[in-house]
Amino acid sequence: KQEVTQIPAALSVPEGENLVLNCSFTDSAIYNLQWFRQDPGKGLTSLLLIQSSQREQTSGRLNASLDKSSGRSTLYIAASQPGDSATYLCAPLYGNNRLAFGKGNQVVVIP
Amino acid sequence: EAGVAQSPRYKIIEKRQSVAFWCNPISGHATLYWYQQILGQGPKLLIQFQNNGVVDDSQLPKDRFSAERLKGVDSTLKIQPAKLEDSAVYLCASSLLGAVYGYTFGSGTRLTVV
Repeated sequence: KQEVTQIPAALSVPEGENLVLNCSFTDSAIYNLQWFRQDPGKGLTSLLLIQSSQREQTSGRLNASLDKSSGRSTLYIAASQPGDSATYLCAPLYGNNRLAFGKGNQVVVIP
Repeated sequence: EAGVAQSPRYKIIEKRQSVAFWCNPISGHATLYWYQQILGQGPKLLIQFQNNGVVDDSQLPKDRFSAERLKGVDSTLKIQPAKLEDSAVYLCASSLLGAVYGYTFGSGTRLTVV
């Protein structure tokens, strides 16, 4: 079974601190992995896409790493801001174009 | 490029009523997905279309849920009759074949069944 676990489930940090969000997946036979952001009751916004052959991707203050063999990905958010408060979901892609989801990391950045 | 369009954004209905959601994917995206996301959970795949054919509907409660994708473009998801436990955000997404560039999600429809 393709399970995704995200730790911590929830965290609160003061503004300016760096955020480290962890994702682990049981089946390492992935094609790529996406990190999404979700605001309450809204859709998913894609943040970063890492292909299975890549080790990391960067976009602005965001950096995502991927260790496919150990089934792990980490999202780093530098110098957090209150606008970063949201739920972050990691989603590895498997055969048949199927994304697997965990419950996400719920982040609150305190001004 | 235009994103994935969904409507309505919000819907409140009474149990046993019916409801329909609409999705227009990104132009050229062959694969379309409907997900259900209950509060505090990750999204769960309900149905996956490739062009206008169904690839996977194994988690679709077929006694009350139905979906179609006419002409391989727009799609409609229907619930009839609705139950209280159907309260959720319904997400539509699309991708190119093979999802090499990942999924693009719409803004979702928040359904409340009272």
